[in-house]
Amino acid sequence: DQQVKQNSPSLSVQEGRISILNCDYTNSMFDYFLWYKKYPAEGPTFLISISSIKDKNEDGRFTVFLNKSAKHLSLHIVPSQPGDSAVYFCAASAGGNTDKLIFGTGTRLQVFP
Amino acid sequence: KAGVTQTPRYLIKTRGQQVTLSCSPISGHRSVSWYQQTPGQGLQFLFEYFSETQRNKGNFPGRFSGRQFSNSRSEMNVSTLELGDSALYLCASSLNGASTGELFFGEGSRLTVL
Repeated sequence: DQQVKQNSPSLSVQEGRISILNCDYTNSMFDYFLWYKKYPAEGPTFLISISSIKDKNEDGRFTVFLNKSAKHLSLHIVPSQPGDSAVYFCAASAGGNTDKLIFGTGTRLQVFP
Repeated sequence: KAGVTQTPRYLIKTRGQQVTLSCSPISGHRSVSWYQQTPGQGLQFLFEYFSETQRNKGNFPGRFSGRQFSNSRSEMNVSTLELGDSALYLCASSLNGASTGELFFGEGSRLTVL
């Protein structure tokens, strides 16, 4: 049972444009959400997070939006750069100390010149 | 400070064998989590250890086990290897727990089962 879903396995965007990566979840107990970026041959690195008390969090070119009623979050990258080409994973947890962090299947973003 | 170190980086085993992977977390981090990455499945949670105790476990068979030592270093073991166990195994450390903050990942151990 995939509680965190990224339905687009890949996305191709032109440099300078906006990249929008989407993530859906099924567990209404999730209240903490994160995005990680992974380059080939490297471990994932933390990008940005959001708690359920907010609907938006911004960090430079990266903004995460949370729609709790739709159980949906999205990551916006503006403007997209070739160095953003990577696999992006969203993750969610219920926030308790003993809860596990559940990852989605990932979306491969390619930013072309 | 040093990052998360996983050893070995690559290994090849045959069906039926067992394997042990090692993870050294960032100094001061008490939580170590293990994930399996396979194409199309994303990062599947295996287990989390915190201060030498298994805090949480994913939906993997009992062939997958782990432990954490007093210095927070962790090992995971897979016994009776199957072809489907071929994957990238990622270890992540955090200060207080996998669900409460940022995880710092190692580069992974790529296991190939023939």
